[in-house]
Amino acid sequence: QSALTQPASVSGSPGQSITISCTGTSSDVGAYNYVSWYQQHPGKAPKLMIYDVSNRPSGVSNRFSGSKSGNTASLTISGLQAEDEADYYCNSFTSSASWVFGGGTKLTVL
Amino acid sequence: QVQLQESGPGLVKPSETLSLTCTVSDYSISSDSYWGWIRQPPGKGLEWIGFISHRGTTYYNPSLKRRVIISLDTSKNQFSLKVNSVTAADTAMYYCVKAIGGSSLFDFWGQGTLVTVSS
Repeated sequence: QSALTQPASVSGSPGQSITISCTGTSSDVGAYNYVSWYQQHPGKAPKLMIYDVSNRPSGVSNRFSGSKSGNTASLTISGLQAEDEADYYCNSFTSSASWVFGGGTKLTVL
Repeated sequence: QVQLQESGPGLVKPSETLSLTCTVSDYSISSDSYWGWIRQPPGKGLEWIGFISHRGTTYYNPSLKRRVIISLDTSKNQFSLKVNSVTAADTAMYYCVKAIGGSSLFDFWGQGTLVTVSS
């Protein structure tokens, strides 16, 4: 199975909004509403930010939102803050009853 | 609060077997949920290794399936990972995780343990 495609890097200024895309196929992202997003700071374990395309776990800021259109899922962060600077990974269920991650996107807050 | 803690050797020789255990606290692994492993090579992205259901059904990454076994030990409330015939490419931070069936919710993660494959 191939990794989902994410941009290697995105950047934005404090207060702005950014969107990270995650492109898969009709066998994974396009087939199921089982897409999640993780935030990872250096040296830390990943933290779940969005699950099932657009659901936020308890405790995650409502500045984080998720959506999906066709084979592409997206994570939007509004009102960028310095602490949002991290790596972000998408994850999807696949038709092979397995899970596949994206290659990761490094978010820089300017 | 559910807690997961990985344990095992930090150094494994090439061609040998990597063995890790995840001890789960404050939640019975036999009650429900899926239990599994995700790894991350240094400086690289996340890779799903596999899951085992609370009933013992296993699901593996197709690219690792031939070398991986995940098992449950309900008496100790632990689950384990074995990766056979390791190479330097298996050097990674290994995380154990709990997942909710019927969703993409991997709700609890261990802190991770670094395994280096080297002679």
